[in-house]
Amino acid sequence: ELKVEQNPLFLSMQEGKNYTIYCNYSTTSDRLYWYRQDPGKSLESLFVLLSNGAVKQEGRLMASLDTKARLSTLHITAAVHDLSATYFCAVDSGTYKYIFGTGTRLKVLA
Amino acid sequence: KAGVTQTPRYLIKTRGQQVTLSCSPISGHRSVSWYQQTPGQGLQFLFEYFSETQRNKGNFPGRFSGRQFSNSRSEMNVSTLELGDSALYLCASSWREMREQYFGPGTRLTVT
Repeated sequence: ELKVEQNPLFLSMQEGKNYTIYCNYSTTSDRLYWYRQDPGKSLESLFVLLSNGAVKQEGRLMASLDTKARLSTLHITAAVHDLSATYFCAVDSGTYKYIFGTGTRLKVLA
Repeated sequence: KAGVTQTPRYLIKTRGQQVTLSCSPISGHRSVSWYQQTPGQGLQFLFEYFSETQRNKGNFPGRFSGRQFSNSRSEMNVSTLELGDSALYLCASSWREMREQYFGPGTRLTVT
């Protein structure tokens, strides 16, 4: 069964710093998604990665996918307080369901 | 285009009762998925429907059931509620074949 692991689970970082969140998954898939969730809110789609080597960027966030390594990364550049949220990766299992990672709770300190 | 809507947004029920949650997908979307989110278990897949057919089901007891109507609206039902069913229930829709999913605001269920 497909398993998805994210690390770190918690991330506290200073404004202006860079960091990377990792998403590893256990079986072959070429579709991976990143979502953001603010406290008490639903999930907001950030990136859709549909092939090996896919790279997407939006503002201070950049996501990439390496299907051979079964790894996706979400890189944060020059973090700002507004990026504080929980970030989830989700992998398409190929059987009509997503498997979500555990989430990374990001707190950006001023 | 209106987003995914879920009703009710908040619900308080007593153990042993049953509950029905509703989800209206984005217009034109035919795939609807349901997820349960809890602090301890994270986001767990419940089931997925496409054109009124359940195509996959997660590892939940039979007390959890769902259906989809011809207009793609979906309902999920939980019978004989337990305290552990307290969670945020999220519905997501996609226009075909489990491509990018768009999530609704969720229904916060509290079982007392």
